[in-house]
Amino acid sequence: NAGVTQTPKFRILKIGQSMTLQCTQDMNHNYMYWYRQDPGMGLKLIYYSVGAGITDKGEVPNGYNVSRSTTEDFPLRLELAAPSQTSVYFCASTPGQGVEQYFGPGTRLTVT
Amino acid sequence: TQLLEQSPQFLSIQEGENLTVYCNSSSVFSSLQWYRQEPGEGPVLLVTVVTGGEVKKLKRLTFQFGDARKDSSLHITAAQPGDTGLYLCAGLVRGGSNYKLTFGKGTLLTVNP
Repeated sequence: NAGVTQTPKFRILKIGQSMTLQCTQDMNHNYMYWYRQDPGMGLKLIYYSVGAGITDKGEVPNGYNVSRSTTEDFPLRLELAAPSQTSVYFCASTPGQGVEQYFGPGTRLTVT
Repeated sequence: TQLLEQSPQFLSIQEGENLTVYCNSSSVFSSLQWYRQEPGEGPVLLVTVVTGGEVKKLKRLTFQFGDARKDSSLHITAAQPGDTGLYLCAGLVRGGSNYKLTFGKGTLLTVNP
């Protein structure tokens, strides 16, 4: 099993550009999450999904969109990138709520 | 929003020393998880504590959940350079029909050889 994979590893965007961060898991987990991690700020939940076709907002959803058309994939879309979205983005999955979350290696995004 | 305060924020010690990291909140959690994160990688789960007063040991690491399920501590005995990393606590809370993890800001531990 590859676990949770994220692409790209690094990306630089100009203000106003758009991009999609990819996340795939091969563990057949129903629950998937997107977090952002800013220096000294821990992890903040952006969006989550409890299964294919079901998504919901987390703590900091503004400026982002998600979709969950399959169990395996949970892409995060940034529209009109802003410098405030400079961060490291982590995708995670879990087989059930309250148990271990498995994290991907992260995508480091810089918006200039 | 449930707030988890971790202290200290930074800790630099010599190999062989003992240390304790704290995770405190005014909220009650269903359970609490501790993760360790190394540079350039995602967090990896160390332990989950569920019952108030619970103590779990993982080799030289001892985790305790407060009796009221509002706080937790991580104690490392005889720290080694391999313990270096960012330690994150995360509390599980119920929001509607779903549970979500709330993360603390983390304690960055450096163990010098």
